[in-house]
Amino acid sequence: DAKTTQPPSMDCAEGRAANLPCNHSTISGNEYVYWYRQIHSQGPQYIIHGLKNNETNEMASLIITEDRKSSTLILPHATLRDTAVYYCIAWTGTASKLTFGTGTRLQVTL
Amino acid sequence: DTEVTQTPKHLVMGMTNKKSLKCEQHMGHRAMYWYKQKAKKPPELMFVYSYEKLSINESVPSRFSPECPNSSLLNLHLHALQPEDSALYLCASSYKSGTPTEAFFGQGTRLTVV
Repeated sequence: DAKTTQPPSMDCAEGRAANLPCNHSTISGNEYVYWYRQIHSQGPQYIIHGLKNNETNEMASLIITEDRKSSTLILPHATLRDTAVYYCIAWTGTASKLTFGTGTRLQVTL
Repeated sequence: DTEVTQTPKHLVMGMTNKKSLKCEQHMGHRAMYWYKQKAKKPPELMFVYSYEKLSINESVPSRFSPECPNSSLLNLHLHALQPEDSALYLCASSYKSGTPTEAFFGQGTRLTVV
């Protein structure tokens, strides 16, 4: 299971795009990049995942570099409700170790 | 139904008590997980069940005893816990095979050991 590295904290103004980076240089070929977030004392919430292509859903976009060693989660128009800890995880998506790193604490401000 | 339901939401227990945490899902998921989360720390994986069999134990002390009686239910039996075991316990579930999708997490049980 690959380890991921994220900045410990980031700030973003409300209404602006939040770009959260993640390094996963040892990711295996069968591991996907997953993003979850956790709002204070709640269970982690799934955001998006991808293997090698860029992905977009109603919550966010995921940009994965061609060598798959890093990725960026983009929240296009951050709101105060997006304030949370964001976790980038390399996982096969099966019954294997779904391991959380230290995550990025995103603070969205007015 | 895309929920993972954990009960109870809060639990206070003494160090000599025996209690159980319960986790339930009805999404047909065949992989289920237990996590422990201390304040301001990421969730730590404890156990993984695959098709009702324990497949991963992250060297968890024996005072934590998991059980998966059927494909929808996951229990965590607690006995002789210590105050440092106080934490948020999270359950998750996912498909075991096929095209990878997301893991769904419950809202957790907040455990306090006194």
